[in-house]
Amino acid sequence: KNEVEQSPQNLTAQEGEFITINCSYSVGISALHWLQQHPGGGIVSLFMLSSGKKKHGRLIATINIQEKHSSLHITASHPRDSAVYICAVTSGSARQLTFGSGTQLTVLP
Amino acid sequence: ETGVTQSPTHLIKTRGQQVTLRCSSQSGHNTVSWYQQALGQGPQFIFQYYREEENGRGNFPPRFSGLQFPNYSSELNVNALELDDSALYLCASSRIAGSNEQYFGPGTRLTVT
Repeated sequence: KNEVEQSPQNLTAQEGEFITINCSYSVGISALHWLQQHPGGGIVSLFMLSSGKKKHGRLIATINIQEKHSSLHITASHPRDSAVYICAVTSGSARQLTFGSGTQLTVLP
Repeated sequence: ETGVTQSPTHLIKTRGQQVTLRCSSQSGHNTVSWYQQALGQGPQFIFQYYREEENGRGNFPPRFSGLQFPNYSSELNVNALELDDSALYLCASSRIAGSNEQYFGPGTRLTVT
């Protein structure tokens, strides 16, 4: 079993839909990250969470430390949101990132 | 833009060869981590360098080695390349070791034939 599990693996939505991506982890963490990766490969950090909820524009991230679960929500989705969304946790003395396998999101116009 | 740069962008090597990938960290950052991302998978931690010393290592064989220089730039060296080493190699810099925030470079795509 992977230490970080994401679902769904693939998600296709119509423009305007509300989207949720889920992440569960099984290790102790110092922080949880939501990252976005476009086809070129570069990774952009969307959120870093250690508790509660954060919002940035149409993106909302929540974390439940007791249940070891986090969600990323996208409201009023748009085709430009199409990308791979990756959940990762920071743990260990080196604070290395352990990544989920990613969710490929495609938003259709 | 994170200020983290990597070179080269793309690279093609033959099985058995050796390769060196380079990373320049963001200004003021003294810690660099390297990750390998195979196609369709999430990145995997290779190792981290802090002030020129290895500060943590993932489950990678010794033919994966690294260096960090006094200006905190870093190299990843892979010897005896195997086909499975084909991947996107990402480096990420942090202001200090033990920081939760890491800033990623654009990656180097390595193809081994």
